Amino acid sequence: GAVVSQHPSRVICKSGTSVKIECRSLDFQATTMFWYRQFPKQSLMLMATSNEGSKATYEQGVEKDKFLINHASLTLSTLTVTSAHPEDSSFYICSARVGQGASNSPLHFGNGTRLTVT
Amino acid sequence: ILNVEQSPQSLHVQEGDSTNFTCSFPSSNFYALHWYRWETAKSPEALFVMTLNGDEKKKGRISATLNTKEGYSYLYIKGSQPEDSATYLCASHRVAGNKLTFGGGTRVLVKP
Repeated sequence: GAVVSQHPSRVICKSGTSVKIECRSLDFQATTMFWYRQFPKQSLMLMATSNEGSKATYEQGVEKDKFLINHASLTLSTLTVTSAHPEDSSFYICSARVGQGASNSPLHFGNGTRLTVT
Repeated sequence: ILNVEQSPQSLHVQEGDSTNFTCSFPSSNFYALHWYRWETAKSPEALFVMTLNGDEKKKGRISATLNTKEGYSYLYIKGSQPEDSATYLCASHRVAGNKLTFGGGTRVLVKP
């Protein structure tokens, strides 16, 4: 149980275009989802916390107008990279806890999305 | 320590040997320490969530200990097998907020 599906797994786009990444909880409801980014040889860095029915909470240094997050239902959160530039090329991965899981409950991750901006 | 640090970054283990590696985290305002295994082309999988000082958890041949006073956790793999090859991530959760801070991971390669 507790499966998180993330699409696409890999995307290549041209500079200036926008890319949408979907994160779905397949067999559970997730009030909160988390979006991480990983640059080569670095750790997973939290970008934002996605809250169902309300605005996302962004980490310091993450541009909310560039990385649009929508969490319209208890099973779907989307991350849209707007006007992508080569420096946005990275690995993006989402995660969620079951229900309103407490912080001592584990995260369930998607498979991640490798974004390449040319 | 302000960040979560893991060492070593990578290690090679001969099949059948046991190994261990470290996660260091801020000891102040500690709430929970997570361990995940991340195999290539798969999603990270939760191994343990630990909250109590002195706690030890075990899952098959893998176990972990926790020292919240000094801010470190060890993960042990007993009798390593090729399928144990993965990157092992730890993440610290402090009392305030809902945020997990990840370490850089330890990449383990078990050689047959």
